[in-house]
Amino acid sequence: AQKITQTQPGMFVQEKEAVTLDCTYDTSDQSYGLFWYKQPSSGEMIFLIYQGSYDEQNATEGRYSLNFQKARKSANLVISASQLGDSAMYFCAMREGVQGAQKLVFGQGTRLTINP
Amino acid sequence: DVKVTQSSRYLVKRTGEKVFLECVQDMDHENMFWYRQDPGLGLRLIYFSYDVKMKEKGDIPEGYSVSREKKERFSLILESASTNQTSMYLCASSLSPTGMTEAFFGQGTRLTVV
Repeated sequence: AQKITQTQPGMFVQEKEAVTLDCTYDTSDQSYGLFWYKQPSSGEMIFLIYQGSYDEQNATEGRYSLNFQKARKSANLVISASQLGDSAMYFCAMREGVQGAQKLVFGQGTRLTINP
Repeated sequence: DVKVTQSSRYLVKRTGEKVFLECVQDMDHENMFWYRQDPGLGLRLIYFSYDVKMKEKGDIPEGYSVSREKKERFSLILESASTNQTSMYLCASSLSPTGMTEAFFGQGTRLTVV
């Protein structure tokens, strides 16, 4: 069964608009972490934001925020005021497991294109 | 800065060859991971390791093995390379504290099996 599901293969957004990238996850663990990474065309993986399963507040990092809805098992990434440089692949990931053997799994990714 | 280094950026190997992909990290991280990335499939976990000589299968371990003899080095081995193993391979490492921290990635190795 897919642990991380990103249902939007591609998204096109006008510059300066806000964009929401969807992510749902599946786990039976109580303690887990959710991550978003950006992969520009250069191929590097850039960490954007993290949300712990016990964090009560939604995580924010500059223009990035994570809309965490635990009961729905969703962890959507919101990018405010999009910029041309935001065009990239975006991956949602989940870490689960006890300290030690922690597994990190990724979704299929969403290709975001920002139009001028 | 954390540095994760993969030994090759591009590799071309023949079918049936034994292939070694090397990954080294310099931040004393316990956890290390190997993924392959294919269009439309995202990153799929092949193997991961949480300590020296400790390894766990990921979601697609068939056709691969790994070795972790030293904490800083995690090797992916293709015992007998096949054309369906042509892919981008990414190595990552992370701490294993009581909390959760992000993984740091290498630059990737694009492997072509002919």
